Amino acid sequence: ETGVTQTPRHLVMGMTNKKSLKCEQHLGHNAMYWYKQSAKKPLELMFVYSLEERVENNSVPSRFSPECPNSSHLFLHLHTLQPEDSALYLCASSQDAYSDTQYFGPGTRLTVL
Amino acid sequence: AQSVTQLDSQVPVFEEAPVELRCNYSSSVSVYLFWYVQYPNQGLQLLLKYLSGSTLVKGINGFEAEFNKSQTSFHLRKPSVHISDTAEYFCAVNSGFQKLVFGTGTRLLVSP
Repeated sequence: ETGVTQTPRHLVMGMTNKKSLKCEQHLGHNAMYWYKQSAKKPLELMFVYSLEERVENNSVPSRFSPECPNSSHLFLHLHTLQPEDSALYLCASSQDAYSDTQYFGPGTRLTVL
Repeated sequence: AQSVTQLDSQVPVFEEAPVELRCNYSSSVSVYLFWYVQYPNQGLQLLLKYLSGSTLVKGINGFEAEFNKSQTSFHLRKPSVHISDTAEYFCAVNSGFQKLVFGTGTRLLVSP
């Protein structure tokens, strides 16, 4: 399944670094999502974009900054992260926001030192 | 509010044996239900989904699930598992125009 791609697949960064995660969907969908997956916890929805407008921000710290320049691309800009931010970050897309099926990318494994 | 409970964090099973992964949900309105599978170092892949109609849903890789409204359950089954089915399985519920809510996952461990 290559409908949703994410880069990089792995990222190690220090707490003072600035980095960005990229997601691209090739499905013609209008909605895109960022999720955080930590060990032993349910997937946490971070942000939702519909037609390039943010429609949900689930109390995510400001050190995470999303950007959606068009309906095919979604970024997550990271700065001054904490070790507890280490997790798998998953991008997903769906035809419309909250429509029935979301399709996921392979994720970016982030380690914050 | 919606919620999903996957009571079993881990299910060990021998190859070619049947398996059932349990999922119960809570919602006050009609629901859409999903099972996703996550193989090691990969994202989530849709196994099957229930939107409406027949309560028995067939998915990929020989999996099926049955929607039981009275018991608010959506258990996943496979009659004969393979080593390659070893993965994490997530149940999720969506009540339309609301966010998808996931369970904590069940790790299926298939051994020879």
